[in-house]
Amino acid sequence: GNSVTQMEGPVTLSEEAFLTINCTYTATGYPSLFWYVQYPGEGLQLLLKATKADDKGSNKGFEATYRKETTSFHLEKGSVQVSDSAVYFCALKNTGNQFYFGTGTSLTVIP
Amino acid sequence: DVKVTQSSRYLVKRTGEKVFLECVQDMDHENMFWYRQDPGLGLRLIYFSYDVKMKEKGDIPEGYSVSREKKERFSLILESASTNQTSMYLCATSRGTTNEKLFFGSGTQLSVL
Repeated sequence: GNSVTQMEGPVTLSEEAFLTINCTYTATGYPSLFWYVQYPGEGLQLLLKATKADDKGSNKGFEATYRKETTSFHLEKGSVQVSDSAVYFCALKNTGNQFYFGTGTSLTVIP
Repeated sequence: DVKVTQSSRYLVKRTGEKVFLECVQDMDHENMFWYRQDPGLGLRLIYFSYDVKMKEKGDIPEGYSVSREKKERFSLILESASTNQTSMYLCATSRGTTNEKLFFGSGTQLSVL
């Protein structure tokens, strides 16, 4: 079946620290992979995506590379800011129209 | 800008009540989805719809139904609310068959007492 596993939170970092949030997936076929972000009091919004193996998605200083050999899509940022505090969700979309989401990882960045 | 509007931000209902959650979008998107979001469980798909009057069960449809009489509106109905339906409910939309990006509303936090 299809599923997404992401690292447990919460994660607390100091401003300008390096961020990694791990995400691995199980899927049949060749899914598209996504990171969504949910800021406090808001709905989720797309952060970045990758649609095939070895693609790198990037946005707002965040990056993630689609690794088929390790079935992973880890989110990274070189220097986090207080404004990056949010909940981050890894997701996949396989054939068909359904998205499968991870459990979310809460990030708090302290000044 | 794309807009997905959920009718209430917070809702408090009693066990056994019939509850309607409304979602309206202004983007002419074909696909609409209802998720519930619970701590430690992430987002789980309840129902979705690809077109007016069409609906498909998601992963956890039990205790819920939906209605899509117009393209822009997708309603989630709790026929007889129970305490285990206390949750954050998120509506989302996407365009056409490519469906590569979901647009979410801000959510409705439902408490069933």
